[in-house]
Amino acid sequence: DQQVKQNSPSLSVQEGRISILNCDYTNSMFDYFLWYKKYPAEGPTFLISISSIKDKNEDGRFTVFLNKSAKHLSLHIVPSQPGDSAVYFCAARGGTSYDKVIFGPGTSLSVIP
Amino acid sequence: NAGVMQNPRHLVRRRGQEARLRCSPMKGHSHVYWYRQLPEEGLKFMVYLQKENIIDESGMPKERFSAEFPKEGPSILRIQQVVRGDSAAYFCASSPTTGNDSPLHFGNGTRLTVT
Repeated sequence: DQQVKQNSPSLSVQEGRISILNCDYTNSMFDYFLWYKKYPAEGPTFLISISSIKDKNEDGRFTVFLNKSAKHLSLHIVPSQPGDSAVYFCAARGGTSYDKVIFGPGTSLSVIP
Repeated sequence: NAGVMQNPRHLVRRRGQEARLRCSPMKGHSHVYWYRQLPEEGLKFMVYLQKENIIDESGMPKERFSAEFPKEGPSILRIQQVVRGDSAAYFCASSPTTGNDSPLHFGNGTRLTVT
């Protein structure tokens, strides 16, 4: 039972354009959401997060939007850069085991120069 | 300030052998988490430990897998009698406290190959 879903395994975007990565979740008890970026042969690195009491959080080129009623969040990267090419994991915590962070399967982003 | 250190980076074991994966959390971090990434899949939670205590092991296979985080020394993930299906990347993460203002910091993982 996959509680965090990322239905696009991959995404290609031209440099300078906007990248939009989507994530859906099923557990209504989740109250905190995170995005991690992962390069090959490295561990995931924390990118940005959002609490369920907010609908938007922005950090430089990265903005996360949360739609609680739809159980949907998205990560916007503007403008996209070649160095952004990586796998992006959506993650959530809360629910029955508060400290356990549940990850989605990831979306591989390629930014084309 | 060193990050989360995992060793070895690569580990090759024959079927039936034991694998021991080590994780030293960031300085000042007393919460450790282990995740597994199977080929072409995402990160799956395995276990959450604090010093000398297992807090949540709901993601650990019932047999052959165990984890510890002793008072002194690194956290150890131990896999006994490995099988080919155990081949994966195993990531350790740490945090200083629990709660939403403590994102997990990950190590670079141990890639286990079972031949």
